[in-house]
Amino acid sequence: DAGVTQSPTHLIKTRGQHVTLRCSPISGHKSVSWYQQVLGQGPQFIFQYYEKEERGRGNFPDRFSARQFPNYSSELNVNALLLGDSALYLCASSPSFGEELFFGEGSRLTVL
Amino acid sequence: QQQVKQSPQSLIVQKGGISIINCAYENTAFDYFPWYQQFPGKGPALLIAIRPDVSEKKEGRFTISFNKSAKQFSLHIMDSQPGDSATYFCAASSRNTDKLIFGTGTRLQVFP
Repeated sequence: DAGVTQSPTHLIKTRGQHVTLRCSPISGHKSVSWYQQVLGQGPQFIFQYYEKEERGRGNFPDRFSARQFPNYSSELNVNALLLGDSALYLCASSPSFGEELFFGEGSRLTVL
Repeated sequence: QQQVKQSPQSLIVQKGGISIINCAYENTAFDYFPWYQQFPGKGPALLIAIRPDVSEKKEGRFTISFNKSAKQFSLHIMDSQPGDSATYFCAASSRNTDKLIFGTGTRLQVFP
């Protein structure tokens, strides 16, 4: 069975650009969450989506947005990139919220 | 109140020894406490998790001990192996949410 898949795995952007990261949850999982992991730190919660509705938002600026599609896949968008946005962006899925979270391998974003 | 404090920051253990990582929390609404293992360049993988209705949970060489009154929980790795060398994160969340609050991580090195 396929786990959580994320794309792209690595990408390089310059300051001010926009980025879209994609996530496909485990089959049957309806909840998708996004986390940001800066090097040397634990992941930090960005968003949670369940049944296409935002169910939670972390302490991130409005430059960060996300959505969930009818097939439960999800996109994370970041506008006006800053150097500090360089991080590993992790997507996690669960059958329903409050259950075990399964993480993907992440998308490594470098902002120059 | 949302923090999860993790110690030690790094840990060196000889093969066959016991690795112990500790976490403490403040928010009494937390009711789910997972541990994740992360290898370099990979996403976190769920290792073992506990809910506060039990004081201990064991899965193979991995045991979580939970002290509700002290608001502390710990991970014990018995018979530590070089393959266990990774970064370990404790986390906590409240009921019906995928918003995990992660600790700062413990880098474990197991030497032969």
